[in-house]
Amino acid sequence: SYVLTQPPSVSVAPGKTARITCGGNNIGSKSVHWYQQKPGQAPVLVIYYDSDRPSGIPERFSGSNSGNTATLTISRVEAGDEADYYCQVWDSSSDHPGWVFGGGTKLTVL
Amino acid sequence: QVQLVESGGGLVKPGGSLRLSCAASGFTFSDYYMSWIRQAPGKGLEWVSYISSSGSTIYYADSVKGRFTISRDNAKNSLYLQMNSLRAEDTAVYYCAREKYSSSSSPFDYWGQGTLVTVSS
Repeated sequence: SYVLTQPPSVSVAPGKTARITCGGNNIGSKSVHWYQQKPGQAPVLVIYYDSDRPSGIPERFSGSNSGNTATLTISRVEAGDEADYYCQVWDSSSDHPGWVFGGGTKLTVL
Repeated sequence: QVQLVESGGGLVKPGGSLRLSCAASGFTFSDYYMSWIRQAPGKGLEWVSYISSSGSTIYYADSVKGRFTISRDNAKNSLYLQMNSLRAEDTAVYYCAREKYSSSSSPFDYWGQGTLVTVSS
């Protein structure tokens, strides 16, 4: 089955740029979605189809996807961005397709 | 506004059964693909099962295949997850989620608040 690998944690100072990676075999050929989850809350979609941003999500959130790595970039990080972030792809490569999530990355704002 | 409200969670003994429900409102339920996703305490997200808008296409994660059954009633705007032969490792918050577009690889644009399932003797 397809595996997505994320770093367990990323730390960044306020106002700086955070980059959260999501690694997978030839992930650049797949569509990647990103979710933000704060403690005790349901996940929220922040980036879809690699780089599209839902309405209501700040322009500070952006995404890219190429080769074996997809990246969620958060510019001018704010304290309110502190959360867990998950990448997601649809795996159609096996005989039983399904959704795959990365293990999640905890973003800490210093 | 779009709302997804899960119910049916609770404490169940290993080997027992539970049926989760997800009540949808604020959109044409029959037009959308739906999924169940779970999150064990302190752990990450794990996709559980998917059902197409008509119910004709269904997929399961290997971890639940043969034990869980997803279904929907479009007339009642409801999604279900029948969980049998429950194990301790099924303990999690279970979320239902809507896919943004009726196509494969569409993201989840709305999630419910989740319902907690605890499997313990």
